[in-house]
Amino acid sequence: DGGITQSPKYLFRKEGQNVTLSCEQNLNHDAMYWYRQDPGQGLRLIYYSQIVNDFQKGDIAEGYSVSREKKESFPLTVTSAQKNPTAFYLCASSLIPQGTGYGYTFGSGTRLTVV
Amino acid sequence: AQKITQTQPGMFVQEKEAVTLDCTYDTSDPSYGLFWYKQPSSGEMIFLIYQGSYDQQNATEGRYSLNFQKARKSANLVISASQLGDSAMYFCAMREMDSNYQLIWGAGTKLIIKP
Repeated sequence: DGGITQSPKYLFRKEGQNVTLSCEQNLNHDAMYWYRQDPGQGLRLIYYSQIVNDFQKGDIAEGYSVSREKKESFPLTVTSAQKNPTAFYLCASSLIPQGTGYGYTFGSGTRLTVV
Repeated sequence: AQKITQTQPGMFVQEKEAVTLDCTYDTSDPSYGLFWYKQPSSGEMIFLIYQGSYDQQNATEGRYSLNFQKARKSANLVISASQLGDSAMYFCAMREMDSNYQLIWGAGTKLIIKP
């Protein structure tokens, strides 16, 4: 079955460490997105990519980095510059729509905690 | 200005009752789509229902229906015969044709179904 796989499900980071969250999709979707969600809050866009080797900053890109070397993969690195990284991270993908009718498919998320 | 507004941070509803979750939106694009997603406590985002701006009829998907009032820029989600498993966060989102393919998200409504 097609879908999006995020790993790991839980991740613990020490102060000053970089960590990388994995996101892989086999839906042949062109666009991929990373969101951050704090408890009880909505989704905030970190980065998105519509094509291989190209990506754009979202609303809260500072302290994060991404790469898109393959269509299927869009890993997110949380760097030591991100001062408050404890949050729930969601990866999503979508077709590049001809109209407005294409929503996102989401992964199951990674819960990152700074220890 | 907020493009998607969900005015109900939280709601309690008795099991088996119908529930309406409010969503208003703001756009000058004549072509847009509206989406509702459910997020249970496990964290994954589940697509529920979609309404296109040119659709003549309100969208329905099983117990979910979308009360689309275009002139009022309102796209409320109606859940009939609520069940305990409906307890979750619910997010309204919009895609405009001229939006670089991104979904714009509301802040969400936390729905709790009481037995």
